[in-house]
Amino acid sequence: GAGVSQSPSNKVTEKGKDVELRCDPISGHTALYWYRQRLGQGLEFLIYFQGNSAPDKSGLPSDRFSAERTGESVSTLTIQRTQQEDSAVYLCASSLGRRYTEAFFGQGTRLTVV
Amino acid sequence: AQSVAQPEDQVNVAEGNPLTVKCTYSVSGNPYLFWYVQYPNRGLQFLLKYITGDNLVKGSYGFEAEFNKSQTSFHLKKPSALVSDSALYFCAFKAAGNKLTFGGGTRVLVKP
Repeated sequence: GAGVSQSPSNKVTEKGKDVELRCDPISGHTALYWYRQRLGQGLEFLIYFQGNSAPDKSGLPSDRFSAERTGESVSTLTIQRTQQEDSAVYLCASSLGRRYTEAFFGQGTRLTVV
Repeated sequence: AQSVAQPEDQVNVAEGNPLTVKCTYSVSGNPYLFWYVQYPNRGLQFLLKYITGDNLVKGSYGFEAEFNKSQTSFHLKKPSALVSDSALYFCAFKAAGNKLTFGGGTRVLVKP
């Protein structure tokens, strides 16, 4: 596709349920990033992939959070047993994978846990 | 820990006046530095980057930034601000690898 696509754009879930967020990167982009942005706040790094491996997953807040990437393409971020503090916008970005290349962002998934 | 800092939560400027958004870095080696902008209800957009070479880099929408190694700064500037520049601005860096880490953001409000 032309840009980074995230789905769903909005998700309302009940506390304790599991959710899956999807990211389709720009074709050919080998690096893929996940961030969390709480309302009016900065970007909190969660994890990034180089190809299908994750060199740095240090930002995942707890073992309820996991992410995977297959085929150097689509990535899914899974949050198990959601809590109200998980409510935020989850942003995905991709880049060509070189250190000097900039990342391009999707529109995000707004997650609300009620 | 390596980081970038944006010391101002908010910058207010009158339309037509110069705009500066500050960023300082604490990164070992040769950092790669980036600026992004987030307009209301829109995704983040890349503005410009410093990799190497000329310390003054030019980017989108008339923005530029100056890399200053002695002051460990990478301030974003625009000579004449527009109301439409009102947005949230983020400085970011890559250290040795490909991990992209952001500062806390600065909200810019340009008043007519």
